[in-house]
Amino acid sequence: DIQMTQSPPSLSASVGDRVTITCRASQDIAGYLNWYQQKPGKAPKLLIYESANLETGVTSRFSGSGSGTDFSFTISSLQPEDSATYYCQQYNGVPYKFGQGTKVEIK
Amino acid sequence: QAHLVESGGRVVQPGRSLRLSCAASGFTFSNYPMHWVRQAPGKGLEWVAVISYDGVRKHYADSVKGRLSISRDNSKNTLFLQLNSLRPEDTAVYYCARDDGRGSAAAGTLGSWGQGTLVTVSS
Repeated sequence: DIQMTQSPPSLSASVGDRVTITCRASQDIAGYLNWYQQKPGKAPKLLIYESANLETGVTSRFSGSGSGTDFSFTISSLQPEDSATYYCQQYNGVPYKFGQGTKVEIK
Repeated sequence: QAHLVESGGRVVQPGRSLRLSCAASGFTFSNYPMHWVRQAPGKGLEWVAVISYDGVRKHYADSVKGRLSISRDNSKNTLFLQLNSLRPEDTAVYYCARDDGRGSAAAGTLGSWGQGTLVTVSS
């Protein structure tokens, strides 16, 4: 099975900062990597699909990149409403796997 | 717009069984693969299972194979998850999600989610 390693587990940054989260797959998954945002008590929300494609209606502050085994998710200018936990998810094959999550907090 | 509502979660004793339901509306349910994802209290997301649009193909996480079973009734726009031989580690919020098949892949992108139903396994 493909394992996903996401880092860091948590981060704290100021409003306006550029924030980057990384996700590494244990084997080549091409570009089959999604990113989700989850706020406390809420269901996850799809932000980025196939590594770099912004889901309709999602702010352009969010972006994704990568292929193969190494991926990244970036918030270009952190806003208070971005406080949440972010997860990567591989879908190159079943079983699909999520990363462990990165909790983003605002300083 | 997809609307998914899970139900059936409750407190259940270890070793017992439970069936969760997910009622779908706002889209043609029979056109989409569907998933279950769970989240233990204070923990991350764990993908559990997926079922094809016609109910023929099913795949499971290794951690639940043989104990959990996904199914669907396209005539009733409902997805199910049968949980057998429940263990304390099955305690979680269980989400159903629609597979939107974004990009070049046929499946694997969970684009619409329900609000979840809580299963607590405890004596």
